[in-house]
Amino acid sequence: SQTIHQWPATLVQPVGSPLSLECTVEGTSNPNLYWYRQAAGRGLQLLFYSVGIGQISSEVPQNLSASRPQDRQFILSSKKLLLSDSGFYLCAWQGVRDTEAFFGQGTRLTVV
Amino acid sequence: RKEVEQDPGPFNVPEGATVAFNCTYSNSASQSFFWYRQDCRKEPKLLMSVYSSGNEDGRFTAQLNRASQYISLLIRDSKLSDSATYLCVNGYNKLIFGAGTRLAVHP
Repeated sequence: SQTIHQWPATLVQPVGSPLSLECTVEGTSNPNLYWYRQAAGRGLQLLFYSVGIGQISSEVPQNLSASRPQDRQFILSSKKLLLSDSGFYLCAWQGVRDTEAFFGQGTRLTVV
Repeated sequence: RKEVEQDPGPFNVPEGATVAFNCTYSNSASQSFFWYRQDCRKEPKLLMSVYSSGNEDGRFTAQLNRASQYISLLIRDSKLSDSATYLCVNGYNKLIFGAGTRLAVHP
């Protein structure tokens, strides 16, 4: 069966520090991969979307970047964190376009 | 117009009540929709998929109205455990989430 792993679960980082969040999927090939951010009490904002290795669509211009170095690995990065980067970061995988997606357990990031 | 819009609620209902949420979408080409449930500080989990006119699973019924471009979720015989935020998703091309509707079921 397919599983998705996301880590760390919580993270506290100072302003200006770098960020790297990793997401990996097992049990499937060539998934579509997503990064979302959810601010406190708000909905899910789509950040990045990838249909294959090296293929990244950026949905919202901001202080973040994403990479997909391997088929089932999706990384979210920042060179310098801002206070506004705080939030709940969620990675999701989707087997085929237009079908449902499944989420990792998320990373709760607090920038101080 | 936002791609997916939901009434944020909260909906406060007693146990046993029937409650319905609506979700409107702007892309008329969309063919697939989903309802997710999200508990506080947890990841969203798939509740139902809606690919045609509707879907039913126990106490939950989802309906799609293409002419008016909305999806609904009906929950019958509400339980305390149904308290959560319900997210509507437009699955066309990429997954776009609504902001969610909060449901609180009280004794």
